[in-house]
Amino acid sequence: EDQVTQSPEALRLQEGESSSLNCSYTVSGLRGLFWYRQDPGKGPEFLFTLYSAGEEKEKERLKATLTKKESFLHITAPKPEDSATYLCAVQDYGQNFVFGPGTRLSVLP
Amino acid sequence: NAGVTQTPKFRVLKTGQSMTLLCAQDMNHEYMYWYRQDPGMGLRLIHYSVGEGTTAKGEVPDGYNVSRLKKKQNFLLGLESAAPSQTSVYFCASSYSRAGGPVDTQYFGPGTRLTVL
Repeated sequence: EDQVTQSPEALRLQEGESSSLNCSYTVSGLRGLFWYRQDPGKGPEFLFTLYSAGEEKEKERLKATLTKKESFLHITAPKPEDSATYLCAVQDYGQNFVFGPGTRLSVLP
Repeated sequence: NAGVTQTPKFRVLKTGQSMTLLCAQDMNHEYMYWYRQDPGMGLRLIHYSVGEGTTAKGEVPDGYNVSRLKKKQNFLLGLESAAPSQTSVYFCASSYSRAGGPVDTQYFGPGTRLTVL
């Protein structure tokens, strides 16, 4: 059974204080790993897709990396507008998507 | 280009009542999905569709039915007899799949907040 866990559950950072969010997964066959951002009262917004171990993708202050068992979302010099819940999801070859519970990030000015 | 839209935005039902949630997308995506999101549990897949007239069960399909009729853009989620356990936020998503390749990014709607009393 595919599983996704995320840590920490919640994270408070000062503006400019870099950190990383973790997504650990077990999947029968990884078709893709996805990172989303979700603001309160809204639907998830796509950030990255990673397909194979060793792959990295960057967007502004965010960088996502992938190994065979986990993915990290690195946030460099975060700003208050980066505050949101960050969701990780995996897709297997059976068309199944499994989401983690998310990490709630707060960036204080 | 509106992306993925959902109606209604909010709904309150009494136990045993029925309702249909509508999802529409204007991106000509083949794949469409219905999820529910509950606190601390993440998004869970209810049903999905890989094309017009086809549907399949996800992780938590019990108590729900879906239909993807002639209009490929629409995907309906039905609750025949609502229960308090179905109180949740429901999200629809769509994605495009390149032939022979991995499924592309899922684009999500704004959600429907459903309360069953």
